[in-house]
Amino acid sequence: IAGITQAPTSQILAAGRRMTLRCTQDMRHNAMYWYRQDLGLGLRLIHYSNTAGTTGKGEVPDGYSVSRANTDDFPLTLASAVPSQTSVYFCASRADRANTEAFFGQGTRLTVV
Amino acid sequence: AQSVTQLDSQVPVFEEAPVELRCNYSSSVSVYLFWYVQYPNQGLQLLLKYLSGSTLVKGINGFEAEFNKSQTSFHLRKPSVHISDTAEYFCAVSDPRGNTGKLIFGQGTTLQVKP
Repeated sequence: IAGITQAPTSQILAAGRRMTLRCTQDMRHNAMYWYRQDLGLGLRLIHYSNTAGTTGKGEVPDGYSVSRANTDDFPLTLASAVPSQTSVYFCASRADRANTEAFFGQGTRLTVV
Repeated sequence: AQSVTQLDSQVPVFEEAPVELRCNYSSSVSVYLFWYVQYPNQGLQLLLKYLSGSTLVKGINGFEAEFNKSQTSFHLRKPSVHISDTAEYFCAVSDPRGNTGKLIFGQGTTLQVKP
């Protein structure tokens, strides 16, 4: 079934450690997004990519980096995790039109201790 | 820049009653508007979207929303809710300029349907 796959589904991470959250889509969508979901704050955009080779900063980019080497993959890296990065992270993608539906992965629950 | 405000964090309602979830947006340009639903421990899925034309938009599962440009609102409604509608609902805006745009979400509204 076509869609978005995120890995891992959950992770407990020691503060100061480096972590990469993986996101892969097989729909050949140009645009991909990373959000974090926190209670009472909804989904906040971390980084986005309109097409392979380009990335942009969202609302809360500090402490995170992304890369987009190809169309399918959009990994999110925490260089040195801090407890405030404890959250549920969602990857999403959509075709290259702002009026199209975004498809979401199942999420990664990250706890930084 | 666009922003979205969902006016209610939680909406409790009895089964078979009508419900309205409120959404207001802020933007200096025309935007596309979306409502997404998130069931427990799942990702988000699209309920409906407004792009242009008729201000009343119908979506899946009996939901509909009305776009009001003068009030910059996009409220979601359902005439009769079911227990299975219990979920988190998110309003979102997208800038139509260019090929893609940032998809900005509101804070979410938890709909709690009681028997």
